[in-house]
Amino acid sequence: AQSVTQLDSQVPVFEEAPVELRCNYSSSVSVYLFWYVQYPNQGLQLLLKYLSGSTLVKGINGFEAEFNKSQTSFHLRKPSVHISDTAEYFCAVRASRLRSGDKLTFGTGTRLAVRP
Amino acid sequence: NAGVTQTPKFQVLKTGQSMTLQCAQDMNHEYMSWYRQDPGMGLRLIHYSVGAGITDQGEVPNGYNVSRSTTEDFPLRLLSAAPSQTSVYFCASSSDRSSGNTIYFGEGSWLTVV
Repeated sequence: AQSVTQLDSQVPVFEEAPVELRCNYSSSVSVYLFWYVQYPNQGLQLLLKYLSGSTLVKGINGFEAEFNKSQTSFHLRKPSVHISDTAEYFCAVRASRLRSGDKLTFGTGTRLAVRP
Repeated sequence: NAGVTQTPKFQVLKTGQSMTLQCAQDMNHEYMSWYRQDPGMGLRLIHYSVGAGITDQGEVPNGYNVSRSTTEDFPLRLLSAAPSQTSVYFCASSSDRSSGNTIYFGEGSWLTVV
């Protein structure tokens, strides 16, 4: 089984400032990692994912994340945020080899609030 | 391309009533699933299906039924609604069981049980 920890439930930041949203995971098997964004009253949209290869993954809207296997982390970063980035961000993990019952496990989410 | 479509978007039920949340995808995806989202708990898997005629339980299946008679549709039934089932429900689909494939989500169904 896998678990995901997003320690920060809310992150306030000023517009044009950099931001990092933290994600740590736990798993006894190798995993794929995902970040999803949820805008108010909408569904989830994939920002980026790590499957293999380069540990620095670039996604949509200027976001990037770095996979760190030794620290079991997959932190999301953006060098300069915009008001429109205000949303809830979910980190998720899935076993790289599916077996019966495997699923996408989500963290509890981090609400990014960008202030002017 | 409609993607994953959920209906209704909003619903209020009385305790004990039953209802069905509809989910349809037009991407010919084999893998479909239902999640519920509650404050401070992220998304939790209710039921999933790896193809027509095949369903299985997720993390929080109690009080819910599913069926998968076609590839496109994956309805979620609440048998006897309870206030604890007040939540936002998301249907999702992906192309196959390869866990690296992107999972696509519907826009959600807000359910209130009074």
